[in-house]
Amino acid sequence: SQTIHQWPATLVQPVGSPLSLECTVEGTSNPNLYWYRQAAGRGLQLLFYSVGIGQISSEVPQNLSASRPQDRQFILSSKKLLLSDSGFYLCAWSVGGVGSDGYTFGSGTRLTVV
Amino acid sequence: DQQVKQNSPSLSVQEGRISILNCDYTNSMFDYFLWYKKYPAEGPTFLISISSIKDKNEDGRFTVFLNKSAKHLSLHIVPSQPGDSAVYFCAAGTYKYIFGTGTRLKVLA
Repeated sequence: SQTIHQWPATLVQPVGSPLSLECTVEGTSNPNLYWYRQAAGRGLQLLFYSVGIGQISSEVPQNLSASRPQDRQFILSSKKLLLSDSGFYLCAWSVGGVGSDGYTFGSGTRLTVV
Repeated sequence: DQQVKQNSPSLSVQEGRISILNCDYTNSMFDYFLWYKKYPAEGPTFLISISSIKDKNEDGRFTVFLNKSAKHLSLHIVPSQPGDSAVYFCAAGTYKYIFGTGTRLKVLA
C-alpha cells in the first residue's frame, strides 16, 4: 500500500535561519507531488508541485523553494526564514493530476518562526 | 483572486441532524470537486468526490451535490455525529486542485 511520510512534525526556527522539510512516498512510482501551506485563518495554499524528478512548478512568489532529487522525495527549503513563513506545511501525492481519488496528504509540519 | 470559496467559517449542528457545508467556485472549467476533512495538527483526509458530469454522489452518510449552473458545491452529512467535528475543505480543479478556506463544523452532543 502507498504511504507518505513527512517530517519533522513540529519545528521552531529563528528568523533568518535555513529550512529543510522532507517528504517521501512509498508504494508507488512517478507520483505527482505537492507542497501546501495552511496559514492561520486561511485555506490550503498550493506552493509547489512536481510531475517528475527535477521538475518543479511554483504557484506563488515567496521565500521558499522546492526540489525533487528522487522520484519519491520532495523537499521544501528556505535559505532565510521570515516570520510570515510560519504555518502548517503539508506534502501530498497523487497519480496523475485531478481525479476522483484526490490527493493523499501527509501528517504535516507545524513551523513556527520566532 | 479566490477561485474556490467557503463563505461560512464555522457551523454548529446538533447530533443526529443534517450538516450542510457549502462551497462556491468561479472557474467553469473545473473537472473534479472534492471534500476533505481535517483534524487539528493532522493532514486532510479525503471524504468524497464528484466529477463535473454528475450532480450527486453519495457515500454512506455523506452526499455531495454539484450545481454547475450556479457554480456551487455542497456536502450533506446525515445524521451528524460528534466525531464529524472537524474543518472541512472543498477543492476543485482541472490539472491541479485549488482548496477553499475551510468550514469548521462542530457537532453538539
